[in-house]
Amino acid sequence: GENVEQHPSTLSVQEGDSAVIKCTYSDSASNYFPWYKQELGKRPQLIIDIRSNVGEKKDQRIAVTLNKTAKHFSLHITETQPEDSAVYFCAAQRTGANNLFFGTGTRLTVIP
Amino acid sequence: DADVTQTPRNRITKTGKRIMLECSQTKGHDRMYWYRQDPGLGLRLIYYSFDVKDINKGEISDGYSVSRQAQAKFSLSLESAIPNQTALYFCATSDFPSGAYNEQFFGPGTRLTVL
Repeated sequence: GENVEQHPSTLSVQEGDSAVIKCTYSDSASNYFPWYKQELGKRPQLIIDIRSNVGEKKDQRIAVTLNKTAKHFSLHITETQPEDSAVYFCAAQRTGANNLFFGTGTRLTVIP
Repeated sequence: DADVTQTPRNRITKTGKRIMLECSQTKGHDRMYWYRQDPGLGLRLIYYSFDVKDINKGEISDGYSVSRQAQAKFSLSLESAIPNQTALYFCATSDFPSGAYNEQFFGPGTRLTVL
């Protein structure tokens, strides 16, 4: 099955700085890569996703990049704000597969 | 997301007890999932169901069973709870049209403690 590795496990940044979270995956057939954000005590929620026919996708201050050759994808958050503090999970799925495979999560802390 | 609900929200039980966690959804989604969340281990899939007659094991199904009573209801059971099943449990749903990928919508979670 798919194996998704996520780094770092914790990340602290000053407000206004950028944050980058990286994930690698093992199944070269994976072609869907969502990112979920889980605020403290809350449920995970999808914030952005990318499909393998796209190399980069942006949504305001967040962006995701995908390198299929290297089998890695990253989440970029610019101009971080305290409300960005949360645990972020990457995931991967391939066409025809039945479920997502999640990374182990990154706890991001934005220091005011 | 109020469309996916879980009961109970918190539960403390003892080793050997049978426990049922329930999930209901009003989103009309066919696909439902049960995940377990442990610190440092992320979200791991226990079971999933694509319709009422379909039940599939995930990566950590040992010690758990499920029942899909209706499209809107998916229950997770621990037949004989053990302390290492102490975790946060999430139910999720998705609508997965052929050829497309759709997000999963999570319930609020059930915090289970097995003493």
